[in-house]
This record gives sequence, C-alpha cells and structure tokens, in this order.
Amino acid sequence: KNEVEQSPQNLTAQEGEFITINCSYSVGISALHWLQQHPGGGIVSLFMLSSGKKKHGRLIATINIQEKHSSLHITASHPRDSAVYICAVRSNLSGGGADGLTFGKGTHLIIQP
Amino acid sequence: DVKVTQSSRYLVKRTGEKVFLECVQDMDHENMFWYRQDPGLGLRLIYFSYDVKMKEKGDIPEGYSVSREKKERFSLILESASTNQTSMYLCASRKGPLGTQYFGPGTRLTVL
Repeated sequence: KNEVEQSPQNLTAQEGEFITINCSYSVGISALHWLQQHPGGGIVSLFMLSSGKKKHGRLIATINIQEKHSSLHITASHPRDSAVYICAVRSNLSGGGADGLTFGKGTHLIIQP
Repeated sequence: DVKVTQSSRYLVKRTGEKVFLECVQDMDHENMFWYRQDPGLGLRLIYFSYDVKMKEKGDIPEGYSVSREKKERFSLILESASTNQTSMYLCASRKGPLGTQYFGPGTRLTVL
C-alpha cells in the first residue's frame, strides 16, 4: 500500500507570505490530487496532476515523479486560504485504498492578518 | 457543476440507534464513496459503489452497511450506533475510474 506523508502537519503564517506544503509517497502513481477542506467540512478538489506543474490563480502544484514528491504553493497568502490541505495519490499498482486512492493526513494552514 | 449533497450537516444519536446517512449526486456518476474523517487519521474509506446495487468494502467497513438502489443515491447505515462512530462522514462521487472526486459537505455525527 502506498504511504503518503505530508509536511508540515500544521503551519501558521502571516498574510502575504509564500506558502509551501509538501507531499511524498512511496509507490509509483498514476495521479496525485490536492484537496482543500475549509472549517465546516466540505472538501474541494484543487488539482489533479500526473506530471509537471499546474497553476490556478494564486495556487501552484508541482510534481516530481522520479522523486515521488509534490508541492502545493500559495502565493500572496490571505486569511481566506486558511484550511486543511490534503494530498491523495492513485497508485499505479493495485494495493492503494479500495478505490485506488490513498490520502495523507492533511496540513492545517492558518494565515493570520 | 457537480453537486453532492448530504442529508444532514449535524446529527446527534444515542448508542444503539440505527442511523441513516444519505448522499445524493446530480451528475450521473457511477462511483460513489463513503469516508469518515477523524483527527490525526485523515480520510478513511468505509464503503464504495461502482454501480447500482453494487457495493465494495473499503478499509474500515465494520459496523456499517450501505445501500445503492438508485444511481444518484448512496446511503450509509449504522446498524447499532456506538460512541466510537462519532466522526465526520463525507460522501463523494466520481465519473469513471480516473475522474476527479467531488465531495459532499459532510455530516458531523455525534453518538452519545
């Protein structure tokens, strides 16, 4: 089974700072997801990527397949970015979760004004 | 726009009660999922379904059952609720095996 590790677990930063959240995994994957969960529970899919880099507004996600590592960056962070960010991977081989996805435990981000 | 709805945002039940959590999606997705989310443990898959009347156990199915009588609706059933089932329950749906998963708003269940 794929092991997914996120770091840091908790991150508090000041408004405007550049934020990086990391995700590493142990087994080859076909896709990696970044998810955002706001207080209150709802989860939103931010990115799904299998190579390279994707950008949406102030969010940038990169993946290095050889190093089995992905990063989520937030530029010009804002208090409304405060949320839990979750990395999830779909393994190449069977043995991921029953639906093929393995989730990290999440990074709790707080942006202070 | 995909919409996944769950019947309740907050629910309080007593030990031993039978509990039904309902999930409905409006985009004709084949795959539907039930997860629970607990602090320090992340999302864990309880059950999933890839078609009407089909169901597969996830990583933690004990104490739960599911029902999928219609494509748009996937129900999670706690046959006899226990305090260790106090958790946030999240439903999700997905088109095909490789699509993006869309999540519902979650139901925070407390079992007293």
